[in-house]
Amino acid sequence: QKEVEQDPGPLSVPEGAIVSLNCTYSNSAFQYFMWYRQYSRKGPELLMYTYSSGNKEDGRFTAQVDKSSKYISLFIRDSQPSDSATYLCAMREFSNAGGTSYGKLTFGQGTILTVHP
Amino acid sequence: DSGVTQTPKHLITATGQRVTLRCSPRSGDLSVYWYQQSLDQGLQFLIQYYNGEERAKGNILERFSAQQFPDLHSELNLSSLELGDSALYFCASSGSVSYNSPLHFGNGTRLTVT
Repeated sequence: QKEVEQDPGPLSVPEGAIVSLNCTYSNSAFQYFMWYRQYSRKGPELLMYTYSSGNKEDGRFTAQVDKSSKYISLFIRDSQPSDSATYLCAMREFSNAGGTSYGKLTFGQGTILTVHP
Repeated sequence: DSGVTQTPKHLITATGQRVTLRCSPRSGDLSVYWYQQSLDQGLQFLIQYYNGEERAKGNILERFSAQQFPDLHSELNLSSLELGDSALYFCASSGSVSYNSPLHFGNGTRLTVT
């Protein structure tokens, strides 16, 4: 079983729809959660990051974390064709060694999203 | 633009050969990460360096090695290449201020082994 599970889709929605992207995880040590967007032939681009349960909003994007259920979500409101991309969830175990940035990110498989006009 | 620069963008080589991929992190970032992305495996962590020292290791093959230089750029060396090594190789960097620094990725090097 993979540490992080993400439905690869593909997901196709009409412009203006609300999109829900989800990941589940099995490692209780994951404390820091991120969402990345990856366009074709580009590197992953950071969208959101959080380390607490609950919701975090940034414009049309809302990240939701439920640590008790080991479940995270990304909601996209008023989706646009420019949102068409692969969305990757990523997680990191908490590790603080003398204040240095530390530790790998574990990624989900990515969900391919297409928003059609 | 993430500020992370990777060269070359594309690399085509034959089995058994050796290649070097280069990464320049964002200005001020001390930590560099290497990831491999293939269609069936997704993004797989290879190795992390912090200020010149190896800090974390993933499923990196013995044929692969990396280093981070005093100017903080990093190189990933892949040797005795096999067809299965064809993939996108990404470098990412993060700052050193706190443990929750997010990673910023370059646009990758696409390696094709023929």
